[in-house]
Amino acid sequence: QQPVQSPQAVILREGEDAVINCSSSKALYSVHWYRQKHGEAPVFLMILLKGGEQKGHEKISASFNEKKQQSSLYLTASQLSYSGTYFCGANFGNEKLTFGTGTRLTIIP
Amino acid sequence: DAGVIQSPRHEVTEMGQEVTLRCKPISGHNSLFWYRQTMMRGLELLIYFNNNVPIDDSGMPEDRFSAKMPNASFSTLKIQPSEPRDSAVYFCASSLGQAASNQPQHFGDGTRLSIL
Repeated sequence: QQPVQSPQAVILREGEDAVINCSSSKALYSVHWYRQKHGEAPVFLMILLKGGEQKGHEKISASFNEKKQQSSLYLTASQLSYSGTYFCGANFGNEKLTFGTGTRLTIIP
Repeated sequence: DAGVIQSPRHEVTEMGQEVTLRCKPISGHNSLFWYRQTMMRGLELLIYFNNNVPIDDSGMPEDRFSAKMPNASFSTLKIQPSEPRDSAVYFCASSLGQAASNQPQHFGDGTRLSIL
């Protein structure tokens, strides 16, 4: 049931764009996105509810495709501060989240 | 505002010892979650509480693990007896409301547990 994220890791130069995907084998009710820097706690970025909406947070936005049971996180004009591991958290209609496999993002100057 | 507070930040103990991890959620939050993070298994939900009541403990690995929430501002996760495979980072998180689907979870800094 754990959502699968792709890619597993990506290295970008500052200013480049990235897309991180989160795919589920079960129907999704909502998707959360979190970022975790090394040695720190996960930090909430955004929630997407059913309806295929797209949300934004600074230069980070995300979409949710119910039919494809997938969510994508878009990072544009990446900054050094965006480095970290990104996790999607899937909600299947109950009261808990199942976190994805994680995507390690490294931004280099 | 104070975030989720966990203690201790680090714990090193010998196999067989009892370990108690503590968590103070954000004031006013009525859902509390305990997670375990390892390289192999990622971030796993162990148990969660709503209004101090355990709702789902299906993620608790075995009977050696137990969790309590005696009041709205305090929770413990206990491992007795501890084993080396319990070594991990344990996070506590809290959120407003009952449904995790539409409320962000706020994580504490975690407890890094090493069982020798």
